[in-house]
Amino acid sequence: SYELTQPSSMSVSPGQTARITCSGDVLAERYGRWFQQKPGQAPVIIIYKDNERPSGIPERFSGSSSGTTVTLTISGAQVEDEADYYCYSAADNNWVFGGGTKLTVL
Amino acid sequence: QVQLVQSGAEVKKPGASVKVSCKASGYTFTDYYLHWVRQAPGQGLEWMGRINPTSGATNYAQKFQGRVAMTRDTSISTAYMELSGLRSDDTALYYCAKNTATNNFWGQGTLVTVSS
Repeated sequence: SYELTQPSSMSVSPGQTARITCSGDVLAERYGRWFQQKPGQAPVIIIYKDNERPSGIPERFSGSSSGTTVTLTISGAQVEDEADYYCYSAADNNWVFGGGTKLTVL
Repeated sequence: QVQLVQSGAEVKKPGASVKVSCKASGYTFTDYYLHWVRQAPGQGLEWMGRINPTSGATNYAQKFQGRVAMTRDTSISTAYMELSGLRSDDTALYYCAKNTATNNFWGQGTLVTVSS
């Protein structure tokens, strides 16, 4: 089975850059996506195909990929970006999620 | 616009079964797989499986093989997820979701509580 590994938590001050990594063998062959989930809400996609942003997602969110790692970058993090972030990929008819990273912005 | 509307919260006893529905609108139901994902309280997202609404073919995560059944009724654009042999650790928010090439859409979630 596939696994995706991401840090469980991180903290930045408002205006700083947050970088969240996600690693897994599947990412060498498949695109990664990133979801943002705030308390009491369903996940919202913020990055697809490693580095593409759906319409309506602020430009401060960006993605990159290298080998078996994808990275979500939040440039100039805002207090409202405090949330859980999940990486995700799809392989062999399965969806695979990372364990989630709790981002604190304060 | 795309909407996935799920059935309401359920409380079940250990050993029972639960069936959650997910009604799709705003797109052609048979054009996209429908997936089920669950999230235990304070925990991460866990993929359970998917159904092809056109054929009814399913793929289940190994963890749920033998305990989960995903079905659909194309006449009412609704997918169903039934989980049997419920245990306390099945207490979770259950989501239906679908992918497109550039987006994801999620239902609002259905809370299933397993308690004696």
